[in-house]
Amino acid sequence: GPKVLQIPSHQIIDMGQMVTLNCDPVSNHLYFYWYKQILGQQMEFLVNFYNGKVMEKSKLFKDQFSVERPDGSYFTLKIQPTALEDSAVYFCASSWGQNERLFFGHGTKLSVL
Amino acid sequence: GDQVEQSPSALSLHEGTGSALRCNFTTTMRAVQWFRKNSRGSLINLFYLASGTKENGRLKSAFDSKERYSTLHIRDAQLEDSGTYFCAARNNNNAPRFGAGTKLSVKP
Repeated sequence: GPKVLQIPSHQIIDMGQMVTLNCDPVSNHLYFYWYKQILGQQMEFLVNFYNGKVMEKSKLFKDQFSVERPDGSYFTLKIQPTALEDSAVYFCASSWGQNERLFFGHGTKLSVL
Repeated sequence: GDQVEQSPSALSLHEGTGSALRCNFTTTMRAVQWFRKNSRGSLINLFYLASGTKENGRLKSAFDSKERYSTLHIRDAQLEDSGTYFCAARNNNNAPRFGAGTKLSVKP
């Protein structure tokens, strides 16, 4: 079926550094999402992005977070600066329409030291 | 998060038996999606429902927006069905919110 690719699968960085997580969504999809899952905890919604704009964000989407998809390339989540509590697996998803099913990537495990 | 209450949190089945997983919603949802997370951590799409029921092999799902719940029935469970099952539901035009998951263990 349709695939969402996430690069890298694992990223280790020092606290305070910047990190960019990359997502290659399904080719004809228009809506993009990031979710965060801390080990042993629930999958939490971060942000929804469409037509170059943030449509919806949760309280977990801190000021240090930003998303973009320049010129139809990767959909990215940037964290600057990172904090220890940002350590988690970040899942990217995409959907064709606003009320269509989501397809998820395999996640990027972010370890902030 | 707290809009979606999933139960049970863990379930153990013997091969060949069946059971049901449930998600209750604290508000009216427009659609629900069910996933299985496999041993590698990948989320496998199982069902997407805006209403009614859908069936695929040994799995069947139902969604009742008015009564605020969705179920996932598994029959004739096999070892490879083991994993964590999640529902995710959306209301209006918001992004889906996940339940906490049901960890299913199928034993010989």
